[in-house]
Amino acid sequence: GAGVSQSPSNKVTEKGKDVELRCDPISGHTALYWYRQRLGQGLEFLIYFQGNSAPDKSGLPSDRFSAERTGESVSTLTIQRTQQEDSAVYLCASSKQSNTEAFFGQGTRLTVV
Amino acid sequence: AQSVAQPEDQVNVAEGNPLTVKCTYSVSGNPYLFWYVQYPNRGLQFLLKYITGDNLVKGSYGFEAEFNKSQTSFHLKKPSALVSDSALYFCAVRDGSYGKLTFGQGTILTVHP
Repeated sequence: GAGVSQSPSNKVTEKGKDVELRCDPISGHTALYWYRQRLGQGLEFLIYFQGNSAPDKSGLPSDRFSAERTGESVSTLTIQRTQQEDSAVYLCASSKQSNTEAFFGQGTRLTVV
Repeated sequence: AQSVAQPEDQVNVAEGNPLTVKCTYSVSGNPYLFWYVQYPNRGLQFLLKYITGDNLVKGSYGFEAEFNKSQTSFHLKKPSALVSDSALYFCAVRDGSYGKLTFGQGTILTVHP
């Protein structure tokens, strides 16, 4: 596709359930980022992948959060035992190289009830 | 650690007047600086970047930004604001050519007719 694709666009889940969010980056982009945006707030860094290097996981808020990326392709962000404070828009972005601009997907709006 | 500050939560300007949205940053190495815009219920769109070279960079929709190393600032400017420029603006920084992007908290720009 032409841009970064995220699925699902909306997800409502019950507290305590696990959720998996998917990101398809732009083809050929080696860098991939996940951010969280709570309502009315800025972007909170979660994790960064660059090619085959070890990911920067320094932004993951707890061990309930994890992310995987297969090579330079799709990435999944998993949240286990969801809590209400996990409710937010989760944004994925990719860039051709680590020193160029990142392009964002439309996000997944997660609501934990 | 890298950081970004957007000191104004909101900026209000009349249509046709010049606008400035402020951003200051802190990095230990060379800053890679970016501006993004977010319209309601839409993803982030890239506006412009500073990597190296001329301190004044031009971007999309008539926006420009001035890199000031001594003041560690990267303010976004436009000579004549449009009502359609009303949106949420984010400044972002990367410390060097590799690694995560850190975003400011965002500034809501409102352009009044």
